[in-house]
Amino acid sequence: AQSVTQLGSHVSVSEGALVLLRCNYSSSVPPYLFWYVQYPNQGLQLLLKYTSAATLVKGINGFEAEFKKSETSFHLTKPSAHMSDAAEYFCAVSSVRGNEKLTFGTGTRLTIIP
Amino acid sequence: GAGVSQSPSNKVTEKGKDVELRCDPISGHTALYWYRQSLGQGLEFLIYFQGNSAPDKSGLPSDRFSAERTGGSVSTLTIQRTQQEDSAVYLCASRPPGLAGVSTDTQYFGPGTRLTVL
Repeated sequence: AQSVTQLGSHVSVSEGALVLLRCNYSSSVPPYLFWYVQYPNQGLQLLLKYTSAATLVKGINGFEAEFKKSETSFHLTKPSAHMSDAAEYFCAVSSVRGNEKLTFGTGTRLTIIP
Repeated sequence: GAGVSQSPSNKVTEKGKDVELRCDPISGHTALYWYRQSLGQGLEFLIYFQGNSAPDKSGLPSDRFSAERTGGSVSTLTIQRTQQEDSAVYLCASRPPGLAGVSTDTQYFGPGTRLTVL
């Protein structure tokens, strides 16, 4: 069984400050890990993914995440927040083998303070 | 190119009615998924298609829910005798086959259908 825990359902940061969104996973098999972003009234857009290659993954819009097996974590960071980053962020896990359905965390709503 | 499309974008129905939700995946994508996003349950998997067959239906919440896929393309999710707890956004995603049958593992999502059951 696989699961994802996102710590903090709401995170607020000032414009220009560091963004850190936390994700911890549980998986009995090697995982694929994903971060998706959802803007209001829109579908999910892939930010980045880890698929057992480099542990530091760079995505779109200046986001990156580091896979740490020892900590079972895949936290999302961005050095400097922009107003346009305000959205809901979902961490997800799927198995390397099988149908690769995604198991999502409960999401973190990011608010940017001007 | 064109992304995943879903129709209708919004559907309001009365309790007890049947509804059909449609998903048009990206051309050439062999895998198709349905998910549901609701306030109480978050984002949850419903069903997975590989081609026209559905090897994993484990997320369908009850036998009122069914889905089919034809021609390896369009999929329809049907909810019979809708209940208020069915109100949610229904998301469809598709995934390409990858080279030599190896998955490329990225799912591309449609904008969703917002279902409201009165």
